[in-house]
Amino acid sequence: GAGVSQTPSNKVTEKGKYVELRCDPISGHTALYWYRQSLGQGPEFLIYFQGTGAADDSGLPNDRFFAVRPEGSVSTLKIQRTERGDSAVYLCASSARGGVGEKLFFGSGTQLSVL
Amino acid sequence: AQSVTQLGSHVSVSEGALVLLRCNYSSSVPPYLFWYVQYPNQGLQLLLKYTTGATLVKGINGFEAEFKKSETSFHLTKPSAHMSDAAEYFCAVSGSTSNTGKLIFGQGTTLQVKP
Repeated sequence: GAGVSQTPSNKVTEKGKYVELRCDPISGHTALYWYRQSLGQGPEFLIYFQGTGAADDSGLPNDRFFAVRPEGSVSTLKIQRTERGDSAVYLCASSARGGVGEKLFFGSGTQLSVL
Repeated sequence: AQSVTQLGSHVSVSEGALVLLRCNYSSSVPPYLFWYVQYPNQGLQLLLKYTTGATLVKGINGFEAEFKKSETSFHLTKPSAHMSDAAEYFCAVSGSTSNTGKLIFGQGTTLQVKP
């Protein structure tokens, strides 16, 4: 596609529910990143995929958070047993090869609100 | 470990005045440094980046930044502010030993431009 697409743009859920957030990267980009941005803060790294594999998941806050990229393109971030503290904007980015110094292309994000 | 500190969460300038947004970094390896801009309801966009070579880097929309190793700084400047420059600006660093494009962001600076 022309850019990184994230769906939904907004998600409202209740505490304890399960949510899935989708990211469709730029076609051909092998690297995909998930970030979380809380109000008034910079994006915080969650996980990095190179192809289908999670090469770095050091930013996932706990085992309620999980992400997949089964075919090396679209990725889904999954959050179980959501908590109010999970409310944030979840950003996805992709880059051509994942090399250091590469430009990241960001989507517009999914605003998650946990009531 | 790497980190970024942006001095001043809010900066206000008059249209036509100099823009100066401050960024200091900490890195145990040679850093790659970036400035991204986030307009309301849009994804982050790359303004400019420093990888190696010339320490004065020019970016889009008239912005530039200078890498100063001795001061561990990468301040963003623009000689004359336009109303359209009002946005949130993020400084970021990469260059981890994992050799990926993973970015560590600062907390952001909101730029207000007054007519």
